[in-house]
Amino acid sequence: DAGVTQSPTHLIKTRGQQVTLRCSPKSGHDTVSWYQQALGQGPQFIFQYYEEEERQRGNFPDRFSGHQFPNYSSELNVNALLLGDSALYLCASSPWEETQYFGPGTRLLVL
Amino acid sequence: GIQVEQSPPDLILQEGANSTLRCNFSDSVNNLQWFHQNPWGQLINLFYIPSGTKQNGRLSATTVATERYSLLYISSSQTTDSGVYFCAVEVLRTGGGNKLTFGTGTQLKVEL
Repeated sequence: DAGVTQSPTHLIKTRGQQVTLRCSPKSGHDTVSWYQQALGQGPQFIFQYYEEEERQRGNFPDRFSGHQFPNYSSELNVNALLLGDSALYLCASSPWEETQYFGPGTRLLVL
Repeated sequence: GIQVEQSPPDLILQEGANSTLRCNFSDSVNNLQWFHQNPWGQLINLFYIPSGTKQNGRLSATTVATERYSLLYISSSQTTDSGVYFCAVEVLRTGGGNKLTFGTGTQLKVEL
């Protein structure tokens, strides 16, 4: 049984560009949450998707948007990239409101 | 929002030593989890422990919800225990959803 998978594993972008990160949840999970982890800090909640809708959102600007597909997979989009968006982006999946399990993350570097 | 603080921020142990990591939170929580983040960034679930005590091998955890803290015990530490340990809490919210608020982490290094 595959766990949570994320792609790509690493990504380098330039300021002002746009990026899309992808997440496939663990089998049987219908909820996907996204977190940003800057170097040396704990993960910060970005948003959570369930039934293809954003159900909860953290304190992130509108440049951060997402989508959930009918197969429960999800995308995180970040527009107009800033140097400060460089981080490890973590996806977690779960049944609705149950324990979350994390993927290996995508490391984004903005130059 | 809720504040989650962990101590100590850094810890160096000799292999075989025991340690206690602490997590304090500022408000009532619906859930508390402990995670280990390995050097490659993977967050590994250790415990789901909103209250009480649980044990899993050399690790155990206790949460005293009324006093707003949780402890993670590591016994007979091994080099593979190295990494960052995070606690994360959920606060019950009308409208649903269960975002995790993470603590500041404890960086553990176990040396031979």
